[in-house]
Amino acid sequence: DAGITQSPRHKVTETGTPVTLRCHQTENHRYMYWYRQDPGHGLRLIHYSYGVKDTDKGEVSDGYSVSRSKTEDFLLTLESATSSQTSVYFCAISEFGTSGRGGYEQYFGPGTRLTVT
Amino acid sequence: AQTVTQSQPEMSVQEAETVTLSCTYDTSENNYYLFWYKQPPSRQMILVIRQEAYKQQNATENRFSVNFQKAAKSFSLKISDSQLGDTAMYFCAFMRGVGGSEKLVFGKGTKLTVNP
Repeated sequence: DAGITQSPRHKVTETGTPVTLRCHQTENHRYMYWYRQDPGHGLRLIHYSYGVKDTDKGEVSDGYSVSRSKTEDFLLTLESATSSQTSVYFCAISEFGTSGRGGYEQYFGPGTRLTVT
Repeated sequence: AQTVTQSQPEMSVQEAETVTLSCTYDTSENNYYLFWYKQPPSRQMILVIRQEAYKQQNATENRFSVNFQKAAKSFSLKISDSQLGDTAMYFCAFMRGVGGSEKLVFGKGTKLTVNP
């Protein structure tokens, strides 16, 4: 299994409070992603990173920011949490073209269940 | 934009039987990758199988195989000798083959139940 951890695994917070989720990898992979999973939507990309300090937006990036100061850590911040951000958040990693199966696969962390009340 | 459609929200199968999950996608790209992910009740997303669009041969991983029809933009997953541990949500996903920063586009999933 890919070495990916997410913290916290569960969090309940109030509307308007800031929240930071952490993704940590031990694989030294270049690419990291944040997805959210909601019923009826599958997984949707929030932000991704293609290197230290290099990030870009995904399809549902409003209300979220990210930072990557080290290869192994990718942080997702909700500046002011809203009830619509109640979701399960997944981090994923990949290494372009270097995996044993030919590259491109994304491997996922265990997820963080966030509830905004 | 690419889209992925899984037309079967739920399916069930008897243990030891074979089941096929459907997936269609829409893209104008010629170079891309397709994946099936499994999500058991533990919530962990597990990669089951992948297919490169430039390969005509269908991918196989033990009891899991795909039927990739590029012209029809169809990518179905066949599970042979179904086991109770195969009970899970299954997601079909598409990724352009342009570079490593490409996102996965997921279907909405099929909930598979394997009955004893």
